Amino acid sequence: DQQVKQNSPSLSVQEGRISILNCDYTNSMFDYFLWYKKYPAEGPTFLISISSIKDKNEDGRFTVFLNKSAKHLSLHIVPSQPGDSAVYFCAASVFLGGKLTFGQGTILTVHP
Amino acid sequence: EPEVTQTPSHQVTQMGQEVILRCVPISNHLYFYWYRQILGQKVEFLVSFYNNEISEKSEIFDDQFSVERPDGSNFTLKIRSTKLEDSAMYFCASSESRESYEQYFGPGTRLTVT
Repeated sequence: DQQVKQNSPSLSVQEGRISILNCDYTNSMFDYFLWYKKYPAEGPTFLISISSIKDKNEDGRFTVFLNKSAKHLSLHIVPSQPGDSAVYFCAASVFLGGKLTFGQGTILTVHP
Repeated sequence: EPEVTQTPSHQVTQMGQEVILRCVPISNHLYFYWYRQILGQKVEFLVSFYNNEISEKSEIFDDQFSVERPDGSNFTLKIRSTKLEDSAMYFCASSESRESYEQYFGPGTRLTVT
């Protein structure tokens, strides 16, 4: 199932700089997109989401951008902090209450 | 803050044995889910449950799997006859769903089939 893809397995950034995590999707029926953060030995933690009718959603240091024509979304973290080091998953859903389809995840490492 | 809980955190079982993984979703949530993540692979959907019945299931969720909400709080996943390839992290999630798509995940149960 390659409907949601995160092509960068890892990303390394310096503390205080911007982290940009990318995600592509193929299913035009996806109505809602979410980003989750996961630490080892824990479950995914919801971070931020965006509806398909919007192109940007911001929550503190986290901003998600959606480009529907390109079927692409990105998560920006500014400024990055060492505590942000984790695996970040992009996920998408077709309808309210429906299953989430996940990308492979990107390992973010923020260096002090 | 309310959270999804799962027990046990780690379960080791022999091939062919039955296992039951337990979850307590967030109390006012209406939709419940099971996902799994095989080591090195994506988190993949197994099944969703709403109003005391399965609302959606994946092709992975075959006759060996079943789900139940035996009382007002627990949500269980049963694997009748485990196979080696069932070894994975199993995550329970719940969603309020009236107005939000967000699903909240438990910490997971690591299932090891030997």
